[in-house]
Amino acid sequence: DGGITQSPKYLFRKEGQNVTLSCEQNLNHDAMYWYRQDPGQGLRLIYYSQIVNDFQKGDIAEGYSVSREKKESFPLTVTSAQKNPTAFYLCATEGQGSNEQFFGPGTRLTVL
Amino acid sequence: GQQLNQSPQSMFIQEGEDVSMNCTSSSIFNTWLWYKQDPGEGPVLLIALYKAGELTSNGRLTAQFGITRKDSFLNISASIPSDVGIYFCAGLSHPGAGSYQLTFGKGTKLSVIP
Repeated sequence: DGGITQSPKYLFRKEGQNVTLSCEQNLNHDAMYWYRQDPGQGLRLIYYSQIVNDFQKGDIAEGYSVSREKKESFPLTVTSAQKNPTAFYLCATEGQGSNEQFFGPGTRLTVL
Repeated sequence: GQQLNQSPQSMFIQEGEDVSMNCTSSSIFNTWLWYKQDPGEGPVLLIALYKAGELTSNGRLTAQFGITRKDSFLNISASIPSDVGIYFCAGLSHPGAGSYQLTFGKGTKLSVIP
């Protein structure tokens, strides 16, 4: 079954703790993206990766980190340096030359 | 950075009515994408537009790439209750060699009254 998997669906963490959100895809897409969505807002780009072992900062990268060791996986770590981490996090992928991004189901992170 | 103005912000319509929403910008885009997002889910791609003036349909949905490349609209005909959700536009631009940027509108929240 092809697609993009994000886990977990809901995540709760205490303030000051780092947390890692998972994004896995079996679409064989080269590019992967992380977005943050807040209520009533559009999607804001955190990080993206066009190829394995390479990634670039998006518009709101501060307080986040990523890795791209495998084509299928692009985990996002929300660090304690992120001032307002509670949000809905969306992972997306894009096939080479496609210009169309496809989204995973999202992870809702709540920091208590 | 680039901004997309998506309107209306929200709308309430009667089942069976047609719906129209649009995105405008002062910047030029090479591709326009329209997504629908259900509550608590990721956005689903509805329509992709690649050429200025292009008009594309997907069932009851029709979208157009504005001739100036600075705007796009989405129409939904004969709305049904399952059309409820948030619709996002996204514009793709190429700010530099080998790079591109996807900018999202803030969404149009559609409510359908049975």
